[in-house]
Amino acid sequence: GQQLNQSPQSMFIQEGEDVSMNCTSSSIFNTWLWYKQEPGEGPVLLIALYKAGELTSNGRLTAQFGITRKDSFLNISASIPSDVGIYFCAGQKGSNYKLTFGKGTLLTVNP
Amino acid sequence: DAEITQSPRHKITETGRQVTLACHQTWNHNNMFWYRQDLGHGLRLIHYSYGVHDTNKGEVSDGYSVSRSNTEDLPLTLESAASSQTSVYFCASSSISRLSSYNEQFFGPGTRLTVL
Repeated sequence: GQQLNQSPQSMFIQEGEDVSMNCTSSSIFNTWLWYKQEPGEGPVLLIALYKAGELTSNGRLTAQFGITRKDSFLNISASIPSDVGIYFCAGQKGSNYKLTFGKGTLLTVNP
Repeated sequence: DAEITQSPRHKITETGRQVTLACHQTWNHNNMFWYRQDLGHGLRLIHYSYGVHDTNKGEVSDGYSVSRSNTEDLPLTLESAASSQTSVYFCASSSISRLSSYNEQFFGPGTRLTVL
């Protein structure tokens, strides 16, 4: 099925560092979403992007909808221990409501 | 507050048994989805529904069924549980209204199912 290529697969960083992760596809998407999942819980929506080139922030998180509509980026500034978790990108294409998910980026923050 | 709940949170069953996982949302969302999450595969869509009496197969639907008799609930049934269906199952819902950020899916807390 449709795949989103999410990278990196995992990151080990020190508290206070900035983090960047991205998602790419060979197809065009109408919507990009970024979720965070903590152990034992369901994914929680962080940011939604609806327009090519859109840059949206949510606290220390900033995400961008790539101008080609085939990619998206998530940046976390000044990481803290509670940022630990798995971050998923998701894209929506066409006229249906289904999402395609990346395989996730596991973020570990060392205090 | 509106929410989406799943039950049970944990379930252990035996091969061949029928199992039903419940999903209930109070957002009045038309769209509901079932995913399974496995290491190395991420979230994979099992079944989805765009409204009452509507059901559709996702990419990994074999061995699963759903029914939608009202807006709030989309139960997932494993007709004859297999060890390959050991996984964590997530339910999600979304609105169809463009005024309500219609592509944003909201997830339940998950059900961890073990088939022995």
